[in-house]
Amino acid sequence: NAGVTQTPKFRILKIGQSMTLQCAQDMNHNYMYWYRQDPGMGLKLIYYSVGAGITDKGEVPNGYNVSRSTTEDFPLRLELAAPSQTSVYFCASSRDRGVSYEQYFGPGTRLTVT
Amino acid sequence: QKEVEQDPGPLSVPEGAIVSLNCTYSNSAFQYFMWYRQYSRKGPELLMYTYSSGNKEDGRFTAQVDKSSKYISLFIRDSQPSDSATYLCAMSGASGGSYIPTFGRGTSLIVHP
Repeated sequence: NAGVTQTPKFRILKIGQSMTLQCAQDMNHNYMYWYRQDPGMGLKLIYYSVGAGITDKGEVPNGYNVSRSTTEDFPLRLELAAPSQTSVYFCASSRDRGVSYEQYFGPGTRLTVT
Repeated sequence: QKEVEQDPGPLSVPEGAIVSLNCTYSNSAFQYFMWYRQYSRKGPELLMYTYSSGNKEDGRFTAQVDKSSKYISLFIRDSQPSDSATYLCAMSGASGGSYIPTFGRGTSLIVHP
């Protein structure tokens, strides 16, 4: 199993550009999450999904959108990138709600907005 | 007051030392208490978790939860340079909407030879 994969690894965006961060998992997990991690600030939840077709906002959803058309994929869309979105983005998954304490993380996407 | 407080460090110790990492929290609904390890430029990985109060041991690692004080700890015995990483505590509830973990800021640990 590849686990949770994320692409791209790195990206530099200009202010106002848009992009999609890709996330996929091959563990047949129902729950998927997007976090951002700023230096020394821990993980902040952006969006999460409890299954295909179901998404919900986390702590910091402004400026982002998600979709979940399949169990495997959970892309994160950035519209009109701003410098405040410079961060490291992690996608994670867990099997279901009962074991949400055990999350599997991808390697992250480092995004710089200039 | 943040739900989960964790000193970011860095904490620098010599090889072989006993390391103590700690978090405090304010939400009494938390039932699961996790420690994730994150190496530089990598994603976090679950090190161990504890349900409710008590201790849990796994090799050189021991997790402790004191719900009365809202305080959790991770002890690392005989620390090794390979333990150098950021350790994130995380907590979640067992019911309602609180099942998604809340993470601390992480403590950077440096074990020098």
